[in-house]
Amino acid sequence: GNSVTQMEGPVTLSEEAFLTINCTYTATGYPSLFWYVQYPGEGLQLLLKATKADDKGSNKGFEATYRKETTSFHLEKGSVQVSDSAVYFCALMNYGGSQGNLIFGKGTKLSVKP
Amino acid sequence: NAGVMQNPRHLVRRRGQEARLRCSPMKGHSHVYWYRQLPEEGLKFMVYLQKENIIDESGMPKERFSAEFPKEGPSILRIQQVVRGDSAAYFCASSPNMGTANTGELFFGEGSRLTVL
Repeated sequence: GNSVTQMEGPVTLSEEAFLTINCTYTATGYPSLFWYVQYPGEGLQLLLKATKADDKGSNKGFEATYRKETTSFHLEKGSVQVSDSAVYFCALMNYGGSQGNLIFGKGTKLSVKP
Repeated sequence: NAGVMQNPRHLVRRRGQEARLRCSPMKGHSHVYWYRQLPEEGLKFMVYLQKENIIDESGMPKERFSAEFPKEGPSILRIQQVVRGDSAAYFCASSPNMGTANTGELFFGEGSRLTVL
């Protein structure tokens, strides 16, 4: 079946540090991959996405590359800010399934200290 | 343009009571999805609805849970005879049309946090 595995949190970094949150997936076919972010007390927001192999999604300084050979979609940011503190969810959608049926990882909580 | 609106934000129920959670999708959106987030867990898909139709309820527990999205009014997730294990955050999401739904870009509400005593 389809599944998403992300690195366990929480992750605590100092401001301006480099961020990597690992995400790997298992899926049949050619899923689309996503990163969603959940700020404290809020719902999830789409951060970035990639719909085919070798695509790079980017937004707000974050980026992730769809690597089919390693079935990965790691999230990176060169210099994190305190305002990036949130929970980050990796997700996939396989079009063989229900439309809108995103499959989420468990989430990785990021805390950035000033 | 208001986003996805969920209410109540917080709901406390005693075991055996009923919980009703409401979701108004973004203006112009006709697809609604409900997800459940248990403590320390990711979001789990529950149900996908269009107006007056349940498209996919593969994630819904077989008993006590039901969902609807009537022609008029918000979508409602109903949990009958709640138990402590139902305590969770319930998120609603919407999308405007099939094309966008296929891209996986969903717009989430702030969630309804149910606590069962």
